[in-house]
Amino acid sequence: EVQLVESGGGLIQPGGSLRLSCAASGFTVSSIYMSWVRQAPGKGLEWVSVIYSGGNTYSADSVKGRFTISRDDSKNTLYLQMNSLRIEDTAVYYCARAALGWVQLDYWGQGTLVTVSS
Amino acid sequence: DIRMTQSPFSLPASVGDRVTITCRASQSTSNYVNWYQQKPGKAPKLLIYAAFSLQGGVPSRFSGSGSGTDFTLTISTLQPEDFATYYCQQSYSTPWTFGQGTKVEMK
Repeated sequence: EVQLVESGGGLIQPGGSLRLSCAASGFTVSSIYMSWVRQAPGKGLEWVSVIYSGGNTYSADSVKGRFTISRDDSKNTLYLQMNSLRIEDTAVYYCARAALGWVQLDYWGQGTLVTVSS
Repeated sequence: DIRMTQSPFSLPASVGDRVTITCRASQSTSNYVNWYQQKPGKAPKLLIYAAFSLQGGVPSRFSGSGSGTDFTLTISTLQPEDFATYYCQQSYSTPWTFGQGTKVEMK
C-alpha cells in the first residue's frame, strides 16, 4: 500500500529555516517523480517543487533560491529544505507522488502546517 | 508559465444535479490536465488524469473531456459526498500550475 507521511512543520520566525520530511512506503521514491504542493490558509493549491527520478529538480519562482527539494534513497524519504522563510510561506505543505507517464499526482500525504510568524 | 483559469469560482447545486466545471489553459497542454477533489481539512484526491482517464476507485459519475486548451469536469448526478472544492492542474510543463478552484456547495 502506498503511503506518504509528512513531518517537520511548525512555527518559525521570518528569516528562519525549516526542513520538511516525507517518508514513503509501498514504492521507491527514486523510481518516480516526487513533488511538494502547498496551500495557504483559505487559499487554493500552489505547486512548489518537483524532483525527477533522474535527480533533476524544478521549483516555482516564488521559492526559487530559498527552497531545495531532495531525497534520500536509502531512507526512501523526500525532503524540502526551506530557508529565508517569509510570512507568505505560511501554508499546509503536502508531498505527492507523480505517476509515470502523465505525471498526475496520484498519492498525497496528509500535509504538515508551516506557520511563519514573529 | 501556463495559466489555468477555472470557472465558475462557486457553484451552488442540489443532489441529483448535473454539474460542469471548466478549465482553460493559456496555451496547449497536450492533454496533460488532471482534476482533483478536496474536502475541508483533507489532502486533494485525484479524480481524472490525462484529461479524461478515470483514476482507479473513482465513481463513474465523474468524467473529464476536452483537448488543447479547454477542458471540462462533469459530475453526472451529484451525490451528497461530492460537495467539495475541485481543481484542475496541468502537468505538461514546469511550473505545474493549478486552477483557482471551484467550490461546489449546496443550493
